[in-house]
Amino acid sequence: EVQLLESGGGLVQPGGSLRLSCAASGITFSISAMSWVRQAPGKGLEWVSAISGSGGSTYYADSVKGRFTISRDNSKTTLFLQMNSLRAEDTAVYYCVKGGSLTPSYYWGQGTLVTVSS
Amino acid sequence: EIVLTQSPGTLSLSPGERATLSCRASQSVSSNYLAWYQQRPGQAPRLLIYGSSSRATGTPDRFSGSGSGTDFTLTISRLEPEDFAVYYCQKYGSSPPLTFGGGTKVEI
Repeated sequence: EVQLLESGGGLVQPGGSLRLSCAASGITFSISAMSWVRQAPGKGLEWVSAISGSGGSTYYADSVKGRFTISRDNSKTTLFLQMNSLRAEDTAVYYCVKGGSLTPSYYWGQGTLVTVSS
Repeated sequence: EIVLTQSPGTLSLSPGERATLSCRASQSVSSNYLAWYQQRPGQAPRLLIYGSSSRATGTPDRFSGSGSGTDFTLTISRLEPEDFAVYYCQKYGSSPPLTFGGGTKVEI
């Protein structure tokens, strides 16, 4: 059974930082491209970032470029999203997703809520 | 970058009725790399359809996808109570960004 378990969300002040993690099981993690997709309260889905299986290629939405960093630890089958210089508009549920932009998003985690507010 | 426009924004129907959801792309979607997702309240999205018309594992056969080029449709033949949700289309199959439509809410 595929499981993607996100953690690390919470309340942070504008300008602050947060690191999200996604523990994966039931997939061959090291060859799986992975992505982060977010959903602001009451809004639609927005792709945030993607990373290749090796970690050698990374991609970012323009809205987070230069502030967010995606990475992975294949030995621990874990995906990360380091979020710096957070803004109110980054408030959203962040989903860990198996797949990059070349395939449909077959598997989704349950999401972790990030709230940026003073 | 391809933009996906979904219509209508909200569809008000009753159980047993047929639902027809539209997704229009600003440019042709190559190889019909178009997927549909269902999102129920408080849940993560779930893949329903990929490749424009192929059902994902576990998708009931009352769901069908069709279309090519720039115009795609998700049809639910007879609405069940659990089908009232928000539906998103997605373009994949090329370099990022991954693109989603704005969603269609199917409500009672």
